Amino acid sequence: GNSVTQMEGPVTLSEEAFLTINCTYTATGYPSLFWYVQYPGEGLQLLLKATKADDKGSNKGFEATYRKETTSFHLEKGSVQVSDSAVYFCALKTQTGGYQKVTFGIGTKLQVIP
Amino acid sequence: DSGVTQTPKHLITATGQRVTLRCSPRSGDLSVYWYQQSLDQGLQFLIHYYNGEERAKGNILERFSAQQFPDLHSELNLSSLELGDSALYFCASSVDSGVPNEQFFGPGTRLTVL
Repeated sequence: GNSVTQMEGPVTLSEEAFLTINCTYTATGYPSLFWYVQYPGEGLQLLLKATKADDKGSNKGFEATYRKETTSFHLEKGSVQVSDSAVYFCALKTQTGGYQKVTFGIGTKLQVIP
Repeated sequence: DSGVTQTPKHLITATGQRVTLRCSPRSGDLSVYWYQQSLDQGLQFLIHYYNGEERAKGNILERFSAQQFPDLHSELNLSSLELGDSALYFCASSVDSGVPNEQFFGPGTRLTVL
């Protein structure tokens, strides 16, 4: 079956530090890959996505590259801000015969301190 | 604002009771997904409806059921509630045009079972 493995948090960084949150996956077929962000007290929001190998998704300074050879989709940001403090979920979606299946990682909590 | 609405925002009830959670998808979205987010289990996919029909089932208990109505809103029914059912329940919608795309999440319903 499909699975998503994320690094466990919490991850605590100082403002302007470099961020990497690792995500690896196993899936049948050719999944689309997503990063969602959940700010405190809110629902999940799509942060970025990539639908095929070597695609790079980017948004709000975050980026992630779909690496088929290593089955990874690591999230990176060059300089984090306090406002980036949230929980980040890596997810994959596969579609077979019109049936979609979405699998999420456990989420990684990021805390950015001033 | 994702365009997905969920009611109620908070629900407090007792063990053994039954509750109904409601979700209205974004205008034009045919797919509705339900998720349960608990502290120890992370984000779990429950069920997916497309244009009124059940499309996929995840880790949904037999005590739980869902339906999608002709106007595309969806309801998640939770019965014989147990303490462990306390969680955030999210609804998400997508266009589901046949190619992988993102899901838009509602703000969630926080269920507390006492």
